Amino acid sequence: DQQVKQNSPSLSVQEGRISILNCDYTNSMFDYFLWYKKYPAEGPTFLISISSIKDKNEDGRFTVFLNKSAKHLSLHIVPSQPGDSAVYFCAASAYGQNFVFGPGTRLSVLP
Amino acid sequence: GAGVSQSPSNKVTEKGKDVELRCDPISGHTALYWYRQSLGQGLEFLIYFQGNSAPDKSGLPSDRFSAERTGGSVSTLTIQRTQQEDSAVYLCASSTHRQGGNEAFFGQGTRLTVV
Repeated sequence: DQQVKQNSPSLSVQEGRISILNCDYTNSMFDYFLWYKKYPAEGPTFLISISSIKDKNEDGRFTVFLNKSAKHLSLHIVPSQPGDSAVYFCAASAYGQNFVFGPGTRLSVLP
Repeated sequence: GAGVSQSPSNKVTEKGKDVELRCDPISGHTALYWYRQSLGQGLEFLIYFQGNSAPDKSGLPSDRFSAERTGGSVSTLTIQRTQQEDSAVYLCASSTHRQGGNEAFFGQGTRLTVV
């Protein structure tokens, strides 16, 4: 049973528009959430995180929203750029435990 | 270097052979994780080391898989009697001890191909 789900395997967005990547989780013990970006043949790189005490965290073009009651988080990229094309992984953890990753969403930003 | 280092970057091995994959975490990071990514799949948790605590081995897929972390630093993931389904990218990550949350930094991965 997947504890972290990303139901969209892929997403295509026009350059300059907003990209919204969604993530759902089932474990109510998760209290820390992260987004990673992965290019082919490279390890995942950390993008942005959010603690369960917040509902929004913003870093430049990237904003993560957390809805604890719905066990849902989303990553917004505004404006989207071709260099944002990558696979995006959502991850969650409970204190002192490993990170559980979702299956990833492949984002393609079209010029 | 300052990042997580993994070696080898690529490994081709014959079915039935043993392989060892190495991970050098970021200096000072107390937590170390092994994940693997099979073709077209997400990141599958394998094992987690945190300081001197007993490792969380709950993700290891079979008893052919084992990992050690010597001196709280370098880790080795060993796969015995490799099978073709073991072919994947094996990723190592490290982080500081989480207090309110810290991100994990990943290495480039070791691409293992079992032929």
